[in-house]
Amino acid sequence: DGGITQSPKYLFRKEGQNVTLSCEQNLNHDAMYWYRQDPGQGLRLIYYSQIVNDFQKGDIAEGYSVSREKKESFPLTVTSAQKNPTAFYLCASKNQGGQKLFFGSGTQLSVL
Amino acid sequence: SQKIEQNSEALNIQEGKTATLTCNYTNYSPAYLQWYRQDPGRGPVFLLLIRENEKEKRKERLKVTFDTTLKQSLFHITASQPADSATYLCALVSTNAGKSTFGDGTTLTVKP
Repeated sequence: DGGITQSPKYLFRKEGQNVTLSCEQNLNHDAMYWYRQDPGQGLRLIYYSQIVNDFQKGDIAEGYSVSREKKESFPLTVTSAQKNPTAFYLCASKNQGGQKLFFGSGTQLSVL
Repeated sequence: SQKIEQNSEALNIQEGKTATLTCNYTNYSPAYLQWYRQDPGRGPVFLLLIRENEKEKRKERLKVTFDTTLKQSLFHITASQPADSATYLCALVSTNAGKSTFGDGTTLTVKP
């Protein structure tokens, strides 16, 4: 059963702590994306990667970091530098040359 | 700066009526425009795509129009049902960007 898996579903962060959100896909897609969604708002792009070992900053990259060591995995780290991390985080993937995004079910991050 | 606006945050209609959602954009030259559906606590799901040289696209009860002169897309759901209740997001993709930029979404409620 192909798709994108995000884990965990819910995550809590303490002040000054880094946390990592997992995103795995078995769709054999080349491109992967991380979006942030705040209540009542649309999706804002954090980082994206179009190929293994390469990634680019999106519109709101400050306070976040990513890696793309494997085609199927694109983890997002929310660092302590991100002062307002509470949000719904969505991972997506797309085939190179494809036009539609496939999304995971999201991770809700909250600050304790 | 680039801006995408979707009509009123919430739209309430009676079952059986046609729902019409609007997506307006400024300072953008999209290669194509996408519409997604998002249910609470879930990731968006792709519905339809329309290219800049297309005027209209249909899929079952869904219809999308695209007017690049007005810089506007309209999304119609005919014979609406309570199961159509969700948030609908429009997204624009420019030729050279390869990434989708999303509007804030419109929450549709269809009442029986």
